[in-house]
Amino acid sequence: ETGVTQSPTHLIKTRGQQVTLRCSSQSGHNTVSWYQQALGQGPQFIFQYYREEENGRGNFPPRFSGLQFPNYSSELNVNALELDDSALYLCASSLEGQGTFGSGTRLTVV
Amino acid sequence: AQSVTQLDSQVPVFEEAPVELRCNYSSSVSVYLFWYVQYPNQGLQLLLKYLSGSTLVKGINGFEAEFNKSQTSFHLRKPSVHISDTAEYFCAVSRTLTSGTYKYIFGTGTRLKVLA
Repeated sequence: ETGVTQSPTHLIKTRGQQVTLRCSSQSGHNTVSWYQQALGQGPQFIFQYYREEENGRGNFPPRFSGLQFPNYSSELNVNALELDDSALYLCASSLEGQGTFGSGTRLTVV
Repeated sequence: AQSVTQLDSQVPVFEEAPVELRCNYSSSVSVYLFWYVQYPNQGLQLLLKYLSGSTLVKGINGFEAEFNKSQTSFHLRKPSVHISDTAEYFCAVSRTLTSGTYKYIFGTGTRLKVLA
């Protein structure tokens, strides 16, 4: 059974650019949630995708968007990057219960 | 609204000593409670969870937690810590979304530093 895989592990972007982060969910999991973890903080819920539809959203602006594909993998897109978007982005997949987290993508915006 | 408060941002403790990491939650409804551990440059690993039943929950790596509804607490304990327990610990509650799935609301974390 494969776990949750996120890519890339690290990346550096310039303010104003766009970025796409990817998450492969654990086999059989139909729900993917994305969290932002700023340095020294707890993870904050961005949004969740359930069966390819957005199923809940946290307090994040529309420039944070996502997709879920038929195989239940997911993307997080962030447009017009700001310095405060620098964080660890965590993905969690689940099936009718608690999530399994990936190792995250460390995004640095300069 | 649900929220989670972790009362200590950092807890230093000597190796083989006991430790308690404190967590309080606020919620007007029944909650599911979790403790996660995060090692440097890694994601979150589930230590233990309370869904229902016995208020004393045992998890991995010798950790346990007690759900106290009257005090709205879910403190994490370990009777004897090891150097390898040095990590960030997060308490979380789950909140049901419209489809019946869940999201997590996390506390700000407690950094456990085990000293030799």
